[in-house]
Amino acid sequence: GESVGLHLPTLSVQEGDNSIINCAYSNSASDYFIWYKQESGKGPQFIIDIRSNMDKRQGQRVTVLLNKTVKHLSLQIAATQPGDSAVYFCAEKSNYQLIWGAGTKLIIKP
Amino acid sequence: DTAVSQTPKYLVTQMGNDKSIKCEQNLGHDTMYWYKQDSKKFLKIMFSYNNKELIINETVPNRFSPKSPDKAHLNLHINSLELGDSAVYFCASSQATLSNSPLHFGNGTRLTVT
Repeated sequence: GESVGLHLPTLSVQEGDNSIINCAYSNSASDYFIWYKQESGKGPQFIIDIRSNMDKRQGQRVTVLLNKTVKHLSLQIAATQPGDSAVYFCAEKSNYQLIWGAGTKLIIKP
Repeated sequence: DTAVSQTPKYLVTQMGNDKSIKCEQNLGHDTMYWYKQDSKKFLKIMFSYNNKELIINETVPNRFSPKSPDKAHLNLHINSLELGDSAVYFCASSQATLSNSPLHFGNGTRLTVT
């Protein structure tokens, strides 16, 4: 489930299941969106990006979906593995700057 | 091999001291950045340099001064450190500021001010 408020939103998923991490963005004029993964003690690492003229893009085990009507972005991770444990950030490019989301912590249950 | 490297990884110092964090990228990128990440993991941009010139300077105290000797390096100098400066500082680079290209981050410098 998810928790919100003062703590980092958290998503717990059973190993082997699919994970879906959601992000609401702010500017309907944003033309580029990125997902990053940050493991403990490391910097954010690029996962996948999507331009506003697309609504879906697939990578290896990851899919990004963009719904411009409701300004919503999601990251789907197939067959979640222990190595997927991390904090995931979405970011949108707006007015030539990157605006970052608050992050979602993904926890994998064995 | 490391694309974006920053030193030191940990920095513990007392209030009032002056310290520097160094960053180097070997990706041939034109733009470099400094970000601050607080305890809630929120990432906030501090500065951005493109080809050694400052292009973004968010509202940060003027105790923070970036220095870019060449486009592969962007160092961060902090004067008169305060308790509230404790955070993880990330350096990043990208191909160009205005293009749709992802940022590449270093592994961070955890600054603790006591």
